[in-house]
Amino acid sequence: DAKTTQPPSMDCAEGRAANLPCNHSTISGNEYVYWYRQIHSQGPQYIIHGLKNNETNEMASLIITEDRKSSTLILPHATLRDTAVYYCIVRVATGDGANNLFFGTGTRLTVIP
Amino acid sequence: ETGVTQTPRHLVMGMTNKKSLKCEQHLGHNAMYWYKQSAKKPLELMFVYNFKEQTENNSVPSRFSPECPNSSHLFLHLHTLQPEDSALYLCASRSSGSTVQFFGPGTRLTVL
Repeated sequence: DAKTTQPPSMDCAEGRAANLPCNHSTISGNEYVYWYRQIHSQGPQYIIHGLKNNETNEMASLIITEDRKSSTLILPHATLRDTAVYYCIVRVATGDGANNLFFGTGTRLTVIP
Repeated sequence: ETGVTQTPRHLVMGMTNKKSLKCEQHLGHNAMYWYKQSAKKPLELMFVYNFKEQTENNSVPSRFSPECPNSSHLFLHLHTLQPEDSALYLCASRSSGSTVQFFGPGTRLTVL
């Protein structure tokens, strides 16, 4: 699986958009980009995933560059409850099999009042 | 609430104790996972079960023994643990044909 690089920490003002970058320059054509987050001492929570098109759901938007070597997770209006560690994971979406996820150290996002 | 529950939420045990962690999901998922998260470290995959069959053991010491009696339940039996085994143990499940894992809240284990 391709490796990802994320900044260790970021701050964002409450109510503003939080833009979390992820580099995955060695991504291959059949690998998806997944984002999860982990609020302190809880289990990780799935946010969104995509292959090459931009994706949006009720939680966030995912912008993937045309060359797919990087992506940005956007939380449009950050709240204090969005303070968490955000993980960017690149993985082949096989559907069957173990479909293991490899979590790195992620980005610790702190939303400031 | 993700639909994946774990009990107990907190556990303190001595090195000679035997205890079990339980994970339950009623999401109709067929794959279940155990992860370990030590302080300030990334999640480490421990075991994977697909349709009740163990498909992966990530070089986990034998003092951790998983059991998957059916697709809805997953156990992690613990015996003669070491203090360095203190960690947050997370269970996850996934539907076959999907790539998204749903995690439980975890069990915070402390080994004295």
